Amino acid sequence: TQLLEQSPQFLSIQEGENLTVYCNSSSVFSSLQWYRQEPGEGPVLLVTVVTGGEVKKLKRLTFQFGDARKDSSLHITAAQTGDTGLYLCAGLTGTASKLTFGTGTRLQVTL
Amino acid sequence: DSGVTQTPKHLITATGQRVTLRCSPRSGDLSVYWYQQSLDQGLQFLIQYYNGEERAKGNILERFSAQQFPDLHSELNLSSLELGDSALYFCASSVEGRDTEAFFGQGTRLTVV
Repeated sequence: TQLLEQSPQFLSIQEGENLTVYCNSSSVFSSLQWYRQEPGEGPVLLVTVVTGGEVKKLKRLTFQFGDARKDSSLHITAAQTGDTGLYLCAGLTGTASKLTFGTGTRLQVTL
Repeated sequence: DSGVTQTPKHLITATGQRVTLRCSPRSGDLSVYWYQQSLDQGLQFLIQYYNGEERAKGNILERFSAQQFPDLHSELNLSSLELGDSALYFCASSVEGRDTEAFFGQGTRLTVV
C-alpha cells in the first residue's frame, strides 16, 4: 500500500505569516497533485507536478516535487484568511490509474 | 462548479439498510472514481470505472458495490449499513483512464443511525 504522509496535520496561523506543508512517501510517483478542499465541497485541483525537482508557482503558493519524486512541499507566502481549508496531496503511479491521497493538512488562517 | 453532480447531498438511514448514491460525471469524462472521506480516515479510494468497465479497486468493502452505466453515470450501492459507514462519499471524474486531473462532486453525506 502506498502511503502519503502529510505534515503538519493541523496548522493555525495569523494572516501574513508564511507556512510550508510537507507530503512524504517511500514510494516513487510519476506525478503528484495538490488539492484544496473547503467545508461542504469536494477537493479542487491546485497543481500537478511531474518532473523531479520541479517547482511551480500559483500566485502566493509554491509547489515543489522532490528530486526522487517521493515527496513534495507546498509553501504559502503571506497567508490570507481565504487560504483556510484542507490541503491534500495525491500521488499517481505510472502503472495504476488511481490517485493515492495524503492524510491531509488542515490550515486555519485568522486575522 | 466542477461539472460533476452527486445525489443526494444528504442521506440519513438506519443500520442494516441499503442505499444507492448516484454520480453524473463531467461531459466527456469516461472515468469515474468513488472515494470515502471520514474524519479519522482521510480520503480513501474505493473504486474506479472507465467507460463502463471496472478499472481499479481500492479499499472497498464486500458490502459495497458500484457500476457505471452506458450513459457513463455511476452508482455506488452500500448495503447492510453500519454506524461506521457514516462518511462523506465523493465521486470524481476525469478524461480517459488516467488521472490527469480529477474533478470532484460536492459529495453525499451519509449518516447511519
